[in-house]
Amino acid sequence: GENVEQHPSTLSVQEGDSAVIKCTYSDSASNYFPWYKQELGKGPQLIIDIRSNVGEKKDQRIAVTLNKTAKHFSLHITETQPEDSAVYFCAASNDMRFGAGTRLTVKP
Amino acid sequence: NAGVTQTPKFQVLKTGQSMTLQCAQDMNHEYMSWYRQDPGMGLRLIHYSVGAGITDQGEVPNGYNVSRSTTEDFPLRLLSAAPSQTSVYFCASSFGEGDREQYFGPGTRLTVT
Repeated sequence: GENVEQHPSTLSVQEGDSAVIKCTYSDSASNYFPWYKQELGKGPQLIIDIRSNVGEKKDQRIAVTLNKTAKHFSLHITETQPEDSAVYFCAASNDMRFGAGTRLTVKP
Repeated sequence: NAGVTQTPKFQVLKTGQSMTLQCAQDMNHEYMSWYRQDPGMGLRLIHYSVGAGITDQGEVPNGYNVSRSTTEDFPLRLLSAAPSQTSVYFCASSFGEGDREQYFGPGTRLTVT
């Protein structure tokens, strides 16, 4: 089955700085790579996703890049704000394996 | 739309007790799944269903049973609870399997003593 590794496990940045979270996967057949944000006491919520026929996707301050050859993808958050503080999970299809999560703290 | 709902929000069980975690969705999604979330381990798939009457095992199915008699409901049963099943459980649903956005419920925090 798929194996997804996520780094770092914790990340602290100053408000306004950028944050980058990286994931690697093992199954070359995976073709869908979502990122979920989980706020305290809530279920995860999709923030952005990318499919294997695309190398980069951007939505306002959030972007995801995918390198299929190297089997890794990354989440980039620019101009971070305190409300970006949460746990972020990457995942890879086809059997929806999730990374272990990254706790992002944005300090005002 | 209520989205994905889960009950109860919190539950404490003694070792050996049984219980059912309820999950319902009102989005007419075919695909539903159960995950458990443990510190440092992310979300691990327990069981999933691609439609009414069809269920399959995920990554960590032992100790859990599921059934899918309707499109809306996907209950998770613990037949004989063990301390290792202490976790937060999330139900999710989506239009399709594997390559669609999953909508998660608010979770059930289960403690087994």
